[in-house]
Amino acid sequence: SAVISQKPSRDICQRGTSLTIQCQVDSQVTMMFWYRQQPGQSLTLIATANQGSEATYESGFVIDKFPISRPNLTFSTLTVSNMSPEDSSIYLCSVIPGQETQYFGPGTRLLVL
Amino acid sequence: SQQGEEDPQALSIQEGENATMNCSYKTSINNLQWYRQNSGRGLVHLILIRSNEREKHSGRLRVTLDTSKKSSSLLITASRAADTASYFCATARRGGSNYKLTFGKGTLLTVNP
Repeated sequence: SAVISQKPSRDICQRGTSLTIQCQVDSQVTMMFWYRQQPGQSLTLIATANQGSEATYESGFVIDKFPISRPNLTFSTLTVSNMSPEDSSIYLCSVIPGQETQYFGPGTRLLVL
Repeated sequence: SQQGEEDPQALSIQEGENATMNCSYKTSINNLQWYRQNSGRGLVHLILIRSNEREKHSGRLRVTLDTSKKSSSLLITASRAADTASYFCATARRGGSNYKLTFGKGTLLTVNP
């Protein structure tokens, strides 16, 4: 398994600003993912962030809006840029420490006013 | 688009009863994973079943997988009030170096004491 922490756990932001979310894992992992969960909805994959390569974004998500860094095998950041109320969601990072099972962090609850 | 579709969307039962949730998906998969989420918090991994497996047990949980029907079910026996949560199925597909876990819409389970 993996222990995943995220910072901040929650935040309230003004529209037009940006927020960077940090994800720290207690072990080295190759595969790391960022998900978004809009209110009352399921989880949607934003991007895959593998160390040593550019993040791969899913349809509907672009690097300018959600830039991702992956400087090493235990850490990643997701920035939500130029925020609008529609960005209010829970953002979760996720890893696969072994071969198959995918674990999730506690999430960052974001409210944009 | 969502790969998995859970059914029912909401389920309310009495403590001690069994709860069955179903999940259908559309494409071939490598494995299927079930998660629990309490009140918009992080996801807790419950169980993983591989595409070549038909049934798995973990404590009070029983998962089945029918790849011919592209469906899975999660059974929680002898439910407790603490089992109240949203349950999601997620299908994993791996292609080369790519890997993607796609979530269904979830089932909201309420266990009444």
